[in-house]
Amino acid sequence: EPEVTQTPSHQVTQMGQEVILRCVPISNHLYFYWYRQILGQKVEFLVSFYNNEISEKSEIFDDQFSVERPDGSNFTLKIRSTKLEDSAMYFCASSEISGNTIYFGEGSWLTVV
Amino acid sequence: GDSVTQMEGPVTLSEEAFLTINCTYTATGYPSLFWYVQYPGEGLQLLLKATKADDKGSNKGFEATYRKETTSFHLEKGSVQVSDSAVYFCALGRYGSSNTGKLIFGQGTTLQVKP
Repeated sequence: EPEVTQTPSHQVTQMGQEVILRCVPISNHLYFYWYRQILGQKVEFLVSFYNNEISEKSEIFDDQFSVERPDGSNFTLKIRSTKLEDSAMYFCASSEISGNTIYFGEGSWLTVV
Repeated sequence: GDSVTQMEGPVTLSEEAFLTINCTYTATGYPSLFWYVQYPGEGLQLLLKATKADDKGSNKGFEATYRKETTSFHLEKGSVQVSDSAVYFCALGRYGSSNTGKLIFGQGTTLQVKP
Protein backbone atom coordinates (compact mmCIF):
# COMPACT_ATOMS: atom_id res chain seq x y z
CA GLU A 1 0.00 0.00 0.00
CA PRO A 2 1.36 3.46 -0.85
CA GLU A 3 2.42 5.49 2.13
CA VAL A 4 3.55 8.92 3.23
CA THR A 5 7.16 8.87 4.35
CA GLN A 6 8.78 11.38 6.67
CA THR A 7 12.35 12.19 7.64
CA PRO A 8 13.89 12.48 10.11
CA SER A 9 11.98 10.30 12.54
CA HIS A 10 13.49 12.20 15.44
CA GLN A 11 15.46 15.43 15.64
CA VAL A 12 16.87 17.28 18.59
CA THR A 13 17.71 20.91 18.00
CA GLN A 14 18.79 23.90 20.02
CA MET A 15 16.40 26.78 20.56
CA GLY A 16 16.78 29.37 17.84
CA GLN A 17 18.01 26.94 15.21
CA GLU A 18 16.28 26.34 11.90
CA VAL A 19 14.73 22.95 11.28
CA ILE A 20 13.47 21.39 8.06
CA LEU A 21 11.18 18.40 8.22
CA ARG A 22 10.80 16.42 5.02
CA CYS A 23 7.97 14.40 3.61
CA VAL A 24 7.29 12.38 0.50
CA PRO A 25 3.51 12.29 -0.02
CA ILE A 26 1.73 9.53 -1.89
CA SER A 27 2.60 9.97 -5.55
CA ASN A 28 -0.81 10.69 -7.13
CA HIS A 29 -1.99 12.92 -4.29
CA LEU A 30 -2.57 16.61 -4.87
CA TYR A 31 -3.29 17.96 -1.38
CA PHE A 32 -0.64 18.09 1.30
CA TYR A 33 -0.84 18.89 4.99
CA TRP A 34 1.17 19.35 8.11
CA TYR A 35 -0.25 18.63 11.55
CA ARG A 36 1.38 18.58 14.93
CA GLN A 37 0.75 16.83 18.22
CA ILE A 38 2.27 18.18 21.38
CA LEU A 39 2.83 15.34 23.84
CA GLY A 40 -0.44 14.31 25.45
CA GLN A 41 -2.54 16.76 23.46
CA LYS A 42 -4.78 16.56 20.44
CA VAL A 43 -3.59 16.55 16.86
CA GLU A 44 -3.68 20.10 15.50
CA PHE A 45 -3.87 21.30 11.92
CA LEU A 46 -1.05 23.56 10.79
CA VAL A 47 -1.36 24.07 7.06
CA SER A 48 -2.80 22.70 3.84
CA PHE A 49 -1.12 23.09 0.45
CA TYR A 50 -2.47 22.67 -3.03
CA ASN A 51 -1.32 23.70 -6.47
CA ASN A 52 1.93 25.11 -5.08
CA GLU A 53 0.34 27.43 -2.61
CA ILE A 54 -1.05 27.44 0.90
CA SER A 55 -4.80 26.93 0.84
CA GLU A 56 -5.36 27.29 4.57
CA LYS A 57 -3.25 27.79 7.66
CA SER A 58 -4.01 27.82 11.35
CA GLU A 59 -3.10 30.52 13.85
CA ILE A 60 -0.23 28.29 14.98
CA PHE A 61 1.36 28.62 11.54
CA ASP A 62 2.96 32.03 12.04
CA ASP A 63 5.85 33.69 10.22
CA GLN A 64 8.31 31.24 11.75
CA PHE A 65 6.81 28.45 9.69
CA SER A 66 6.96 27.90 5.95
CA VAL A 67 6.20 25.07 3.56
CA GLU A 68 7.58 24.24 0.19
CA ARG A 69 7.32 21.66 -2.52
CA PRO A 70 10.81 22.02 -3.95
CA ASP A 71 10.41 19.29 -6.56
CA GLY A 72 7.78 16.87 -7.77
CA SER A 73 8.00 14.56 -4.80
CA ASN A 74 9.04 16.30 -1.60
CA PHE A 75 7.02 18.51 0.73
CA THR A 76 8.88 20.31 3.49
CA LEU A 77 8.07 22.19 6.67
CA LYS A 78 10.63 24.74 7.82
CA ILE A 79 10.70 26.28 11.26
CA ARG A 80 12.95 29.31 11.04
CA SER A 81 13.90 29.85 14.66
CA THR A 82 12.71 27.07 16.91
CA LYS A 83 11.24 27.66 20.34
CA LEU A 84 10.86 25.25 23.24
CA GLU A 85 7.12 25.11 22.61
CA ASP A 86 7.71 23.82 19.08
CA SER A 87 8.63 20.47 20.61
CA ALA A 88 6.05 18.07 19.20
CA MET A 89 5.39 15.25 16.78
CA TYR A 90 4.90 16.69 13.30
CA PHE A 91 2.79 14.70 10.90
CA CYS A 92 2.81 15.11 7.16
CA ALA A 93 -0.30 13.97 5.32
CA SER A 94 -1.71 13.88 1.82
CA SER A 95 -4.96 13.23 0.01
CA GLU A 96 -6.04 12.68 -3.54
CA ILE A 97 -8.75 15.31 -3.47
CA SER A 98 -9.74 17.87 -0.89
CA GLY A 99 -11.24 16.27 2.17
CA ASN A 100 -10.97 12.77 0.81
CA THR A 101 -9.24 10.17 2.92
CA ILE A 102 -6.15 11.80 4.36
CA TYR A 103 -3.14 9.52 4.81
CA PHE A 104 -0.62 10.35 7.48
CA GLY A 105 3.06 9.63 7.76
CA GLU A 106 4.59 8.15 10.88
CA GLY A 107 5.64 11.55 12.13
CA SER A 108 8.82 13.40 12.99
CA TRP A 109 9.55 13.97 16.65
CA LEU A 110 11.07 17.38 17.17
CA THR A 111 12.67 18.13 20.50
CA VAL A 112 13.84 21.68 21.08
CA VAL A 113 16.30 22.09 23.94
CA GLY B 1 -16.56 26.73 14.17
CA ASP B 2 -16.32 22.98 13.76
CA SER B 3 -15.34 20.93 16.78
CA VAL B 4 -15.13 17.32 17.94
CA THR B 5 -15.52 16.03 21.48
CA GLN B 6 -14.55 12.56 22.62
CA MET B 7 -15.11 10.77 25.87
CA GLU B 8 -12.33 11.08 28.38
CA GLY B 9 -9.92 8.21 28.76
CA PRO B 10 -8.23 6.06 29.53
CA VAL B 11 -10.64 3.23 28.87
CA THR B 12 -9.50 -0.06 30.38
CA LEU B 13 -11.18 -3.28 29.29
CA SER B 14 -10.59 -6.99 29.54
CA GLU B 15 -10.02 -8.98 26.38
CA GLU B 16 -13.28 -9.86 24.57
CA ALA B 17 -15.20 -7.04 26.24
CA PHE B 18 -17.48 -4.72 24.26
CA LEU B 19 -16.04 -1.32 23.40
CA THR B 20 -17.77 2.00 22.91
CA ILE B 21 -15.88 5.26 22.52
CA ASN B 22 -18.21 8.24 22.28
CA CYS B 23 -17.67 11.02 19.78
CA THR B 24 -19.90 14.02 19.15
CA TYR B 25 -19.35 16.89 16.81
CA THR B 26 -20.45 20.45 16.17
CA ALA B 27 -20.55 21.54 12.55
CA THR B 28 -22.72 23.20 9.98
CA GLY B 29 -23.78 21.27 6.93
CA TYR B 30 -22.63 17.76 6.21
CA PRO B 31 -19.07 17.01 7.16
CA SER B 32 -17.36 13.68 6.75
CA LEU B 33 -16.41 11.80 9.91
CA PHE B 34 -13.38 9.65 10.58
CA TRP B 35 -11.80 7.48 13.21
CA TYR B 36 -8.02 7.32 13.28
CA VAL B 37 -5.94 5.04 15.47
CA GLN B 38 -2.44 5.63 16.81
CA TYR B 39 -0.63 2.55 18.07
CA PRO B 40 2.25 3.09 20.52
CA GLY B 41 5.21 4.69 18.80
CA GLU B 42 3.46 4.93 15.44
CA GLY B 43 1.68 7.50 13.33
CA LEU B 44 -2.02 7.96 12.63
CA GLN B 45 -3.82 5.32 10.63
CA LEU B 46 -7.28 5.70 9.20
CA LEU B 47 -9.55 3.15 10.86
CA LEU B 48 -12.88 3.94 9.23
CA LYS B 49 -14.92 6.76 7.79
CA ALA B 50 -18.46 7.84 6.91
CA THR B 51 -19.29 10.59 4.46
CA LYS B 52 -23.02 11.11 4.93
CA ALA B 53 -25.78 10.69 7.49
CA ASP B 54 -26.69 7.10 8.40
CA ASP B 55 -23.55 5.74 6.72
CA LYS B 56 -21.81 3.05 8.71
CA GLY B 57 -18.05 2.82 8.49
CA SER B 58 -16.42 -0.47 9.42
CA ASN B 59 -12.97 -2.01 9.49
CA LYS B 60 -11.16 -4.71 11.52
CA GLY B 61 -14.30 -5.40 13.56
CA PHE B 62 -14.78 -1.73 14.46
CA GLU B 63 -17.93 0.13 13.43
CA ALA B 64 -19.29 3.65 13.67
CA THR B 65 -22.55 5.10 12.37
CA TYR B 66 -22.90 8.73 11.32
CA ARG B 67 -25.93 10.01 13.27
CA LYS B 68 -26.92 13.48 12.17
CA GLU B 69 -29.84 13.73 14.59
CA THR B 70 -27.56 13.25 17.59
CA THR B 71 -24.41 14.67 15.90
CA SER B 72 -22.53 11.56 16.93
CA PHE B 73 -20.11 9.01 15.50
CA HIS B 74 -19.49 6.54 18.30
CA LEU B 75 -16.89 3.82 17.78
CA GLU B 76 -17.83 0.26 18.73
CA LYS B 77 -16.27 -3.16 18.69
CA GLY B 78 -17.93 -6.31 19.89
CA SER B 79 -14.86 -8.07 21.28
CA VAL B 80 -11.61 -6.22 21.85
CA GLN B 81 -8.16 -7.77 21.78
CA VAL B 82 -4.94 -6.79 23.52
CA SER B 83 -3.65 -5.67 20.12
CA ASP B 84 -6.40 -3.01 19.98
CA SER B 85 -4.64 -1.07 22.73
CA ALA B 86 -4.00 2.33 21.19
CA VAL B 87 -5.18 5.94 21.12
CA TYR B 88 -8.32 6.50 19.06
CA PHE B 89 -9.08 9.86 17.48
CA CYS B 90 -12.41 10.99 16.11
CA ALA B 91 -12.08 13.60 13.36
CA LEU B 92 -14.22 15.76 11.09
CA GLY B 93 -13.40 16.91 7.57
CA ARG B 94 -15.04 18.36 4.51
CA TYR B 95 -14.99 17.37 0.87
CA GLY B 96 -15.08 19.62 -2.09
CA SER B 97 -13.05 22.13 -4.01
CA SER B 98 -14.20 24.98 -1.80
CA ASN B 99 -12.71 23.30 1.24
CA THR B 100 -9.10 22.88 2.12
CA GLY B 101 -9.58 19.37 3.41
CA LYS B 102 -8.24 19.91 6.88
CA LEU B 103 -9.30 17.61 9.69
CA ILE B 104 -10.50 18.70 13.10
CA PHE B 105 -9.53 16.14 15.72
CA GLY B 106 -10.99 15.23 19.05
CA GLN B 107 -8.67 14.97 22.01
CA GLY B 108 -8.12 11.23 21.62
CA THR B 109 -9.16 8.34 23.85
CA THR B 110 -6.61 5.87 25.14
CA LEU B 111 -7.78 2.26 25.14
CA GLN B 112 -5.97 -0.30 27.23
CA VAL B 113 -7.01 -3.93 26.84
CA LYS B 114 -5.81 -6.40 29.47
CA PRO B 115 -5.51 -10.13 28.85
